[in-house]
Amino acid sequence: GENVGLHLPTLSVQEGDNSIINCAYSNSASDYFIWYKQESGKGPQFIIDIRSNMDKRQGQRVTVLLNKTVKHLSLQIAATQPGDSAVYFCAERSGNDYKLSFGAGTTVTVRA
Amino acid sequence: SAVISQKPSRDICQRGTSLTIQCQVDSQVTMMFWYRQQPGQSLTLIATANQGSEATYESGFVIDKFPISRPNLTFSTLTVSNMSPEDSSIYLCCVESWGAEAFFGQGTRLTVV
Repeated sequence: GENVGLHLPTLSVQEGDNSIINCAYSNSASDYFIWYKQESGKGPQFIIDIRSNMDKRQGQRVTVLLNKTVKHLSLQIAATQPGDSAVYFCAERSGNDYKLSFGAGTTVTVRA
Repeated sequence: SAVISQKPSRDICQRGTSLTIQCQVDSQVTMMFWYRQQPGQSLTLIATANQGSEATYESGFVIDKFPISRPNLTFSTLTVSNMSPEDSSIYLCCVESWGAEAFFGQGTRLTVV
């Protein structure tokens, strides 16, 4: 069936460098995408979202890029900090279906 | 963003027993969902909690095993019935309003022994 998935399960980043986390989706009807951060022992925390009528959206130290042609989503974290170490999930939904479908998750580890 | 209180935060239960998890939101929300996150895995939707009516379950989840209540727009419960070790997971309440971003509670970490 259609799903949302991540290219890489783990990412190790040097503190201060930029991080890029990728996500592929297969549902062409998906029109809303969210990135979540989940720290150990906590629930997923909303980071940033983007709708399908946009290609890029920026937040504080984070940027989400959406390429609808190849059904690809990425999260860029600028100047990665130790507090950014977590599992990152992309999620999508389509139309009036409010249910979210989640990708497998990428574990980001920041090296001091 | 909505403030979500989920209780209990964790529990260790004997097999064959049941546990009811509560989700309380500080404001009225349109949608409430229950997710399961098995160890080291992603999130899987169990059901959509519907106010005043039966929940809508996803494939692989049934009401007898996971009865859900939602008496109003700010509160829902999920019961994990007749538990087995395979039910050991994190159970998460999720809320959203009018198609806006979805927020999660802190989760209930359940261990069945």
